[in-house]
Amino acid sequence: DAKTTQPTSMDCAEGRAANLPCNHSTISGNEYVYWYRQIHSQGPQYIIHGLKNNETNEMASLIITEDRKSSTLILPHATLRDTAVYYCIVRAYSNYQLIWGAGTKLIIKP
Amino acid sequence: DGGITQSPKYLFRKEGQNVTLSCEQNLNHDAMYWYRQDPGQGLRLIYYSQIVNDFQKGDIAEGYSVSREKKESFPLTVTSAQKNPTAFYLCASSIGRQGAQPQHFGDGTRLSIL
Repeated sequence: DAKTTQPTSMDCAEGRAANLPCNHSTISGNEYVYWYRQIHSQGPQYIIHGLKNNETNEMASLIITEDRKSSTLILPHATLRDTAVYYCIVRAYSNYQLIWGAGTKLIIKP
Repeated sequence: DGGITQSPKYLFRKEGQNVTLSCEQNLNHDAMYWYRQDPGQGLRLIYYSQIVNDFQKGDIAEGYSVSREKKESFPLTVTSAQKNPTAFYLCASSIGRQGAQPQHFGDGTRLSIL
């Protein structure tokens, strides 16, 4: 079973920030949080990952709560091309296994 | 550009036939993976390989086989023993099996039964 909980779907207006939440209340100390997205009929695209600290790259920001039990992926200025299913996954440093849930379907509206 | 190439994009299989899906990477990654995705679901691991000539079963390996004769290539054979092969198949690679570095994915092969 997936170790994360995400809302089934979300909407966001184009140009606004999209904030996608993820619950991982049973996360262990050596587990990283990864975010991927999948646009219809394509392979998943890696977005960002983090352990404790907040992370930012050219695609998004990842905010992890101090207790590490939840995180939020932020797309700062959403465009129509950001419409996709977003997956939040936790994985231990020593483990290859990615356990995928059903993700959040994000729809960006004009 | 470095990346993962899966071919073909679409594949049709007749009943009782084996088919092989290709996956090639030029990222110099040691680890490679095969996943299956059914409609509306997340990915499930079929096989993975840490190094050349080594591979391990994932959660749903029955009816599938793989080989890893070259670092760059990790083909997946869907055998006639796989009774429900219609799915989207995704290949991924990572620098190593362990570590924080993420897996990167190809664009998938969609397999259907005729």
